[in-house]
Amino acid sequence: SAVISQKPSRDICQRGTSLTIQCQVDSQVTMMFWYRQQPGQSLTLIATANQGSEATYESGFVIDKFPISRPNLTFSTLTVSNMSPEDSSIYLCSVEEVKGTEAFFGQGTRLTVV
Amino acid sequence: AQSVTQPDIHITVSEGASLELRCNYSYGATPYLFWYVQSPGQGLQLLLKYFSGDTLVQGIKGFEAEFKRSQSSFNLRKPSVHWSDAAEYFCAVGASTGGGNKLTFGTGTQLKVEL
Repeated sequence: SAVISQKPSRDICQRGTSLTIQCQVDSQVTMMFWYRQQPGQSLTLIATANQGSEATYESGFVIDKFPISRPNLTFSTLTVSNMSPEDSSIYLCSVEEVKGTEAFFGQGTRLTVV
Repeated sequence: AQSVTQPDIHITVSEGASLELRCNYSYGATPYLFWYVQSPGQGLQLLLKYFSGDTLVQGIKGFEAEFKRSQSSFNLRKPSVHWSDAAEYFCAVGASTGGGNKLTFGTGTQLKVEL
């Protein structure tokens, strides 16, 4: 299975600032996704990161708040913009090596907004 | 829209006892079903998956799950729990619509193991 590295693993940020989370995979993958896990909650899909084009966002998530890049088949970034305490969550990168198969997850980025 | 229900928020079992975690799903077609485990401070690890075929699937760490279409269930079982199994367990259903396998997760079951 693919090895996924997320950076940073955790951060504490001031409200109103932005944080960019990186997801690096050790092999080319077809699909990359970003999920959010709010404290004590389950995981919610934010968006699908599309290689070379704009990400596809799920209901309730918008590009201005969560801009995503995917310049190639092994790398993606998620930016959490203009942060508020409500953005405090774990953000997880997920990949599928082959489309429509099982998803593997990174270790996550634990974000605290103060 | 797909959905997943995990009725048990917390479960406590004694080490060596058997375990069953419940999962019910709602999905219009044949679902892709998954169980993941999340240990404290860790990401999610895939325990097992069901795509098609044999309805009893074997996973890692001695876990198994059975897909029952008539009951819309995909319960996770382990015959003898180890203390290291204490973690949070998530059931998920995937919708492979050509855009990859977008997962909808249940709310999770927190497993505590008593020694």
